[in-house]
Amino acid sequence: EPEVTQTPSHQVTQMGQEVILRCVPISNHLYFYWYRQILGQKVEFLVSFYNNEISEKSEIFDDQFSVERPDGSNFTLKIRSTKLEDSAMYFCASSERGGASYNEQFFGPGTRLTVL
Amino acid sequence: QKEVEQNSGPLSVPEGAIASLNCTYSDRGSQSFFWYRQYSGKSPELIMSIYSNGDKEDGRFTAQLNKASQYVSLLIRDSQPSDSATYLCAVNRLGDDKIIFGKGTRLHILP
Repeated sequence: EPEVTQTPSHQVTQMGQEVILRCVPISNHLYFYWYRQILGQKVEFLVSFYNNEISEKSEIFDDQFSVERPDGSNFTLKIRSTKLEDSAMYFCASSERGGASYNEQFFGPGTRLTVL
Repeated sequence: QKEVEQNSGPLSVPEGAIASLNCTYSDRGSQSFFWYRQYSGKSPELIMSIYSNGDKEDGRFTAQLNKASQYVSLLIRDSQPSDSATYLCAVNRLGDDKIIFGKGTRLHILP
């Protein structure tokens, strides 16, 4: 069964450093998403991406964050200068359809980001 | 503020019994409703989606939607210890890409 994959599974970084989290969405999906979950809290939407551009973003997704689809398979989230409060699980998700229809979103296993 | 509310639990249910999980949402523009299962330290796994009022059954799972009451529920029949997890209710508004999640209900199936 096709699945979303993410690398690395765990990333440890120093405050102020840049990190890139990588995702390979399900191959026939067109919509890609990043969510995060701080320990003990709810899953929060960060950004959605369609047709090589951001289609929606949350207030969390400020100028420190960027997304890119550098090739036909990968989808990345970059955090330019990490802060302690960026420590969380970051989940990539993908769906066949977007918000104008019934968009079932399938999640990858996540990357645990620890900022020291 | 658009919210999805769930009782955090834990909800303890004997093995073989029916587990009933509930969720309310505040946005009347919500069109799609999802139940995800999340094991500790793992990612959300989609187990049910429902879009119209009424019941939808898939194996041991039944999702129920009542848009007038802004209420979604998930029933798990013949509960198994492997069903012990946190169940996340999530909703999507027409035209939005994002899914809004509740905090989840912890379910514990007692062997």
